[in-house]
Amino acid sequence: EVQLVQSGAEVKKPGESLKISCKGSGYTFANYWIAWVRQMPGKGLEWVGIIYPGDSDRRYGPSVQGQVTISVDKSISTAYLQWSSLQASDTAMYYCARHRTVGTTPAGVDVWGQGTTVIVSS
Amino acid sequence: QSGLTQPASVSGSPGQSITISCTGTNSDIGGFNYVSWYQQRPGKAPKVIIYDVSFRPSGVSSRFSGSKSGNTASLTISGLQADDEADYYCSSYTTSDSLVVFGGGTKLTVL
Repeated sequence: EVQLVQSGAEVKKPGESLKISCKGSGYTFANYWIAWVRQMPGKGLEWVGIIYPGDSDRRYGPSVQGQVTISVDKSISTAYLQWSSLQASDTAMYYCARHRTVGTTPAGVDVWGQGTTVIVSS
Repeated sequence: QSGLTQPASVSGSPGQSITISCTGTNSDIGGFNYVSWYQQRPGKAPKVIIYDVSFRPSGVSSRFSGSKSGNTASLTISGLQADDEADYYCSSYTTSDSLVVFGGGTKLTVL
């Protein structure tokens, strides 16, 4: 069974750093794009970015450019979303998601992780 | 780069059909058949209900169907049921640097 299992909920203070994870299983991790999607409280899904584990090609959505870093460790089939200095506005649910991959094109999500809640509060 | 445009809300009565539109550009919906639709119930992770414009994953009801015309994709739900009440999102591959673009979501209310 293809699965994405995300790390647990986090409560942090503004200015702190954070790295959340998403571990894939049941498939060849390197061959599928992994995306991160944000959902702020009461709001819609928002594109954060995407990474191709095979060559670490990564892209970011316009609303988070420069604010987060997406990375991957192929050896343990895990993708990461990282902040160097959290802000209260980063409070949200963060989902990782596997994309169907046609050639090297991300063709749409087919598997979602369970989500990681991040709360940033002083 | 802008997101895809969806109506904020739609509603229908049980048994009726509704259609949710998702409008993009030639760089995304109009240029490729990589449009997906997701259903999200409150407090739950999203679920894929349509991929590649019109294909349903195994286990998704045939009451859900997708189509595309030009730069606009559509999701139709027939025989509305109370259980269909949820938020619905579209997404597409795009030639812009981000590679993927999302719609803002549509809240479906079953009256």
